[in-house]
Amino acid sequence: AQSVSQHNHHVILSEAASLELGCNYSYGGTVNLFWYVQYPGQHLQLLLKYFSGDPLVKGIKGFEAEFIKSKFSFNLRKPSVQWSDTAEYFCAVNGNTDKLIFGTGTRLQVFP
Amino acid sequence: EPEVTQTPSHQVTQMGQEVILRCVPISNHLYFYWYRQILGQKVEFLVSFYNNEISEKSEIFDDQFSVERPDGSNFTLKIRSTKLEDSAMYFCASSEALRRDRGYFGPGTRLTVT
Repeated sequence: AQSVSQHNHHVILSEAASLELGCNYSYGGTVNLFWYVQYPGQHLQLLLKYFSGDPLVKGIKGFEAEFIKSKFSFNLRKPSVQWSDTAEYFCAVNGNTDKLIFGTGTRLQVFP
Repeated sequence: EPEVTQTPSHQVTQMGQEVILRCVPISNHLYFYWYRQILGQKVEFLVSFYNNEISEKSEIFDDQFSVERPDGSNFTLKIRSTKLEDSAMYFCASSEALRRDRGYFGPGTRLTVT
């Protein structure tokens, strides 16, 4: 069965610090990978997605993620976070079924 | 940019009552989904719907749940007899192409069952 693990449940950073959020998935076949962000009181928004091609994917708001197939990972990165990046971040995977499997989410707090 | 909309934003109901959550997907999308997020837990898939029928459902989506596209624009989730554990945020999503476009989630309906 497909599953997604996000090991960082709560991350606290100061502005300008670098960010890396871990995401590992378990699925043996071809996958599509996603990162979503949920700002306080708002709905899920797609940050970036990987279907195929260049494993380094650039998304909105300066975020990027790298797909490492050998490690079953799709970590999210940002070189310099801002206070406005405070949100919950969800990794998700879609394999051979018509549904997204989400991780448990990582709550990011950025302090000025 | 087109958006998925959901109504109501917050629904409070008593245990055993029926609720209908409404969604208006993006107009040219063909695939529709419901997900839910219990407070503090991860987002979970409930059901997908295409061509006026359910294409996939999770084990959560039991006989108490049903979905319908009553007209050309709305997509509804009905819970026949609500339970306390149905309290959650319910998200509708729509996509244009199977599995390829997952960016469009609605703002959610917070369902509180008392």
